Amino acid sequence: DAKTTQPPSMDCAEGRAANLPCNHSTISGNEYVYWYRQIHSQGPQYIIHGLKNNETNEMASLIITEDRKSSTLILPHATLRDTAVYYCISGYSTLTFGKGTMLLVSP
Amino acid sequence: SAVISQKPSRDICQRGTSLTIQCQVDSQVTMMFWYRQQPGQSLTLIATANQGSEATYESGFVIDKFPISRPNLTFSTLTVSNMSPEDSSIYLCSVEKGSKNIQYFGAGTRLSVL
Repeated sequence: DAKTTQPPSMDCAEGRAANLPCNHSTISGNEYVYWYRQIHSQGPQYIIHGLKNNETNEMASLIITEDRKSSTLILPHATLRDTAVYYCISGYSTLTFGKGTMLLVSP
Repeated sequence: SAVISQKPSRDICQRGTSLTIQCQVDSQVTMMFWYRQQPGQSLTLIATANQGSEATYESGFVIDKFPISRPNLTFSTLTVSNMSPEDSSIYLCSVEKGSKNIQYFGAGTRLSVL
């Protein structure tokens, strides 16, 4: 079973920030938090990962709480092409995919 | 990152036959993975394939049904044997690159079994 909990779906207006929450309360000390997304009919795409500190790259920002039991993926300016299923995964080597969050970005 | 090519991209097969899916990566990697994604579901890990050793299968998956080859550091195959309609899924390969165990995925093989 997946070790993370995510809302099944979220909506976001184009151009606004999308904030996707994830609960990983059983995460171990050496496990990372990974975020992937899967656009329809494509393979999953790596977005970002973190251990303790907040991270930012060209795609998104990752905010991890101090106790590491939850995190938020932020897409600062969502576009229609960001419509996808977003998976939050905690682990070290193998990835266990949960059901993810279906993010729908609307005009 | 890594560029991963999977072949075929899709196929329609008759029950009782077998299909071999190929996964080619543009650089040498130690760990490759095979996943299954059943219709409307999330991804499930089938096995981990390291070059030079037997593949490690997850619970519920067996070598007789899903034999895997890993002849070198850039290539792997997954065979779906004696197929039934329940094997209709998307099969994806991924590779691990970098020091933080990030995986990069192919586009997948969409299999339909009649």
